[in-house]
Amino acid sequence: GAGVSQSPSNKVTEKGKDVELRCDPISGHTALYWYRQSLGQGLEFLIYFQGNSAPDKSGLPSDRFSAERTGGSVSTLTIQRTQQEDSAVYLCASSLSIIQPQHFGDGTRLSIL
Amino acid sequence: DQQVKQNSPSLSVQEGRISILNCDYTNSMFDYFLWYKKYPAEGPTFLISISSIKDKNEDGRFTVFLNKSAKHLSLHIVPSQPGDSAVYFCAASASGSSNTGKLIFGQGTTLQVKP
Repeated sequence: GAGVSQSPSNKVTEKGKDVELRCDPISGHTALYWYRQSLGQGLEFLIYFQGNSAPDKSGLPSDRFSAERTGGSVSTLTIQRTQQEDSAVYLCASSLSIIQPQHFGDGTRLSIL
Repeated sequence: DQQVKQNSPSLSVQEGRISILNCDYTNSMFDYFLWYKKYPAEGPTFLISISSIKDKNEDGRFTVFLNKSAKHLSLHIVPSQPGDSAVYFCAASASGSSNTGKLIFGQGTTLQVKP
């Protein structure tokens, strides 16, 4: 079956521009997570969605970052007024529940010039 | 504060031998641990997990051991194959009333299996 799908796979933009990253989770997975991996680092949690519950935004690094999940399926991560330190691979994961393994997409490689 | 640590950035083993990847954690609230494998330009792939009620979980060539008193876990791959060459991430999460299942990751260990 289809895995987690992320788009675009690569994004290059100028500092100060807004970017929107998309995640299409595995069908039926109620939990959805965003992580990012900066160069040479491990994955860093950003935000979590579960059904109609309030999202856990505790990992978002600044108020320039926001995310939404519409209809309990597709999610978008938006970064406003991008900075060079936002350059990273942004990974989305989904799972059947919070006690099940998370399955990752291939990520969006974001480069801020 | 690095709650999950993989102290060896890299490991090289011969094909057919055992690969042992190590992970230490500091948060005693962690009770679910996972290992992921990652190839370049791909997302992490789930390998194996273990709950804190167990001290060992085995799946084919992969075995994870958990030592709660030492706050240490390890992944054993036997026998190692060249296709196992990848970056391996250890991850942990904590259950509880505010459980979201968010994973805390180590920085990864690059495994190279030589033919």
